[in-house]
Amino acid sequence: GQNIDQPTEMTATEGAIVQINCTYQTSGFNGLFWYQQHAGEAPTFLSYNVLDGLEEKGRFSSFLSRSKGYSYLLLKELQMKDSASYLCAVRNTGGFKTIFGAGTRLFVKA
Amino acid sequence: GAGVSQSPRYKVTKRGQDVALRCDPISGHVSLYWYRQALGQGPEFLTYFNYEAQQDKSGLPNDRFSAERPEGSISTLTIQRTEQRDSAMYRCASSPVGASTEAFFGQGTRLTVV
Repeated sequence: GQNIDQPTEMTATEGAIVQINCTYQTSGFNGLFWYQQHAGEAPTFLSYNVLDGLEEKGRFSSFLSRSKGYSYLLLKELQMKDSASYLCAVRNTGGFKTIFGAGTRLFVKA
Repeated sequence: GAGVSQSPRYKVTKRGQDVALRCDPISGHVSLYWYRQALGQGPEFLTYFNYEAQQDKSGLPNDRFSAERPEGSISTLTIQRTEQRDSAMYRCASSPVGASTEAFFGQGTRLTVV
């Protein structure tokens, strides 16, 4: 079976750092994506990991451990505009089917 | 076009009617996906095209749902004999060839079956 788990909601303070975790069990693995989705809008791409380790891109970093079926998205220097849902998604082997988690709603407070 | 375009943006239909949802992907994008997204949930995979070939339709809920992409560009998702449970946001996404490439999502079609 396939399953992606991430916390439903998180709250953090402007200027702080927040880590959003994602664990997955899938029938195959061909990469993990993080997307950001503001309310009422389409998801937009943040990061892609296929090998173990940390990928850094500005204020956002993403980590992957394939042996543990675990990833996290790290957001630094939080801004109010970072309030959104963050979606973890895993692509299967043998094709391009990508399965999304339910998303983590992040609230950034002043 | 500049982005993935979906039409209509909103569709209200009566139970039992057929609906066709259109997706115009980014020019040159090989891969095209259809997803369904309930409020507060992540996108749920429906089907995937590589050029005009439908390579995975395992997410289509039942045989009332079908999709095509006859010329490898525009795609249509058709729902026959709509039911109230079909009400949702239907999203299309496209990406260039390659496993590491991101998917670009359209703004979606909000379908309401009354």
